[in-house]
Amino acid sequence: SQQGEEDPQALSIQEGENATMNCSYKTSINNLQWYRQNSGRGLVHLILIRSNEREKHSGRLRVTLDTSKKSSSLLITASRAADTASYFCATDERKGGKLIFGQGTELSVKP
Amino acid sequence: GAVVSQHPSRVICKSGTSVKIECRSLDFQATTMFWYRQFPKQSLMLMATSNEGSKATYEQGVEKDKFLINHASLTLSTLTVTSAHPEDSSFYICSARRRDGYYGYTFGSGTRLTVV
Repeated sequence: SQQGEEDPQALSIQEGENATMNCSYKTSINNLQWYRQNSGRGLVHLILIRSNEREKHSGRLRVTLDTSKKSSSLLITASRAADTASYFCATDERKGGKLIFGQGTELSVKP
Repeated sequence: GAVVSQHPSRVICKSGTSVKIECRSLDFQATTMFWYRQFPKQSLMLMATSNEGSKATYEQGVEKDKFLINHASLTLSTLTVTSAHPEDSSFYICSARRRDGYYGYTFGSGTRLTVV
């Protein structure tokens, strides 16, 4: 089952620009995670934000979580061509104890 | 730590045959393992959740007789695609959740299944 909705579905930017991706979900969660996937490859875990946290940083990544709106955003600052990939949010459901993925955003960073 | 080994990474099989995919947690015990399927340009769809020693719980729309899941130990889960057909061609990924209280999921590197 799919829970998360992500937007935009696709995003194309120039190197050096910031990229923002949004994720909305429907149920109560323990935490929300963001993953990156290069074409045809496995997942890379980027960052996890717990339900009692509002913002988290990791290098060029900034994640926010608004549990009242059931939404999260991932900001990648100073993007690089190597950031080109698909990005997925995933919610760790409080009830059911499983990780459900959003639809994903395909990010293209042009050099 | 927290490594999940999944193999094979790629498999091509003939229509009608069965294929087994293994997912093994190498340095931790996994209470629960998850199996996902991903079609090209799409997201990961959860197929089933398996707990060690008990029957797997399948998501709605996933045929349990077609996708057999065995979680015989705290470090190994297998997914067998029975009587595979071309429409089963997909990328299958497993994930394991640790037993020791660390709250996180570790993913295998995925298996690209092509049924010809």
